[in-house]
Amino acid sequence: DAGVTQSPTHLIKTRGQHVTLRCSPISGHKSVSWYQQVLGQGPQFIFQYYEKEERGRGNFPDRFSARQFPNYSSELNVNALLLGDSALYLCASSLLGGNQPQHFGDGTRLSIL
Amino acid sequence: QKEVEQNSGPLSVPEGAIASLNCTYSDRGSQSFFWYRQYSGKSPELIMSIYSNGDKEDGRFTAQLNKASQYVSLLIRDSQPSDSATYLCAVTLDSGAGSYQLTFGKGTKLSVIP
Repeated sequence: DAGVTQSPTHLIKTRGQHVTLRCSPISGHKSVSWYQQVLGQGPQFIFQYYEKEERGRGNFPDRFSARQFPNYSSELNVNALLLGDSALYLCASSLLGGNQPQHFGDGTRLSIL
Repeated sequence: QKEVEQNSGPLSVPEGAIASLNCTYSDRGSQSFFWYRQYSGKSPELIMSIYSNGDKEDGRFTAQLNKASQYVSLLIRDSQPSDSATYLCAVTLDSGAGSYQLTFGKGTKLSVIP
């Protein structure tokens, strides 16, 4: 079975642009979460979605938004990109959300010039 | 501010030894606890989950949880060079209204010396 898939793998943008990152969960998983990981730090929680509804939001500015589709895939949008947004963006899925184990995709490495 | 603390290391152990990784968390309401392994340049891989006090064993890995002390640990027996990675401790807290937030420590870098 396929794991969590994310696209694109790498992305280079300039300041002020916007970006859309995509994620497909493990088949049968209904919850998707997004994380940002900068070098030397653990992943930091951005959003959690379950059954297309936002179930949690981390301490990120409104420039960050996300949604989940009826097929449980998800996208993360970031507007007005800043240099500090350069990071590895990770998507994780779990069967039912809540406190169940989350499984990560390979991530999207975003570089802002 | 809910925190998860880990010693950043590096922790160096000889091949075949036991590696002991430790983690403390600040919020007593934390409900579930996970250990992830992350190789350099890769994404985190779930290796253990534990929900109740005591020990949980899976192959060479043992997770230990003590909620009274707000402490969770991971033991790796018969350490192999392939175990060299950063180990992330993660804790889930019910933030209310069905919202669960997974909070990570900064990770402990483990080096297993052949």
